[in-house]
Amino acid sequence: GAVVSQHPSRVICKSGTSVKIECRSLDFQATTMFWYRQFPKQSLMLMATSNEGSKATYEQGVEKDKFLINHASLTLSTLTVTSAHPEDSSFYICSASPGGDTIYFGEGSWLTVV
Amino acid sequence: GQQVMQIPQYQHVQEGEDFTTYCNSSTTLSNIQWYKQRPGGHPVFLIQLVKSGEVKKQKRLTFQFGEAKKNSSLHITATQTTDVGTYFCADHYGGATNKLIFGTGTLLAVQP
Repeated sequence: GAVVSQHPSRVICKSGTSVKIECRSLDFQATTMFWYRQFPKQSLMLMATSNEGSKATYEQGVEKDKFLINHASLTLSTLTVTSAHPEDSSFYICSASPGGDTIYFGEGSWLTVV
Repeated sequence: GQQVMQIPQYQHVQEGEDFTTYCNSSTTLSNIQWYKQRPGGHPVFLIQLVKSGEVKKQKRLTFQFGEAKKNSSLHITATQTTDVGTYFCADHYGGATNKLIFGTGTLLAVQP
């Protein structure tokens, strides 16, 4: 079964609204989680590193005020896409590790902004 | 910044044929991980290579890490329809970060 769970799996929202995506580690605690974005037929691009109890670290070119990340507990990180626009439509996916080199990915969340 | 390219972008094979994807980095790789992503799915970890020149096998899959740690390859022998998907290599910045920089991916289609 899944060890990293994302919710929702699919969401459609209106342009200008905000959407929250949750990423949970089910069987382990994760002080660090990662958020990626994947456009159709493209690779995964790292957006940010979510750090439990502190601010997220964003990759170059990713707007921190648009993609709000909160890592309030050792098993939950949330990504909020604020003032969403159609160009934000994408597959958002998180990852976490229980330690060592093994990395688990969530099932991903398809966001469509209309 | 670092670029991790894979070739080919797309490969279509007949079932039973072999398949290889090549991964090349603009900078020296820390560790290389390989993932498979089925259509509509999420990446699933296949393997990690750490040492220069390392070769690992998983059944019909053979993974190699270049001597200079700037390239890697994945070879599938006698493909099956279940091998369909996109194969990604990723540079794994280990230690405290576990950060991944993904390659561009190779989509494999297998015709029965």
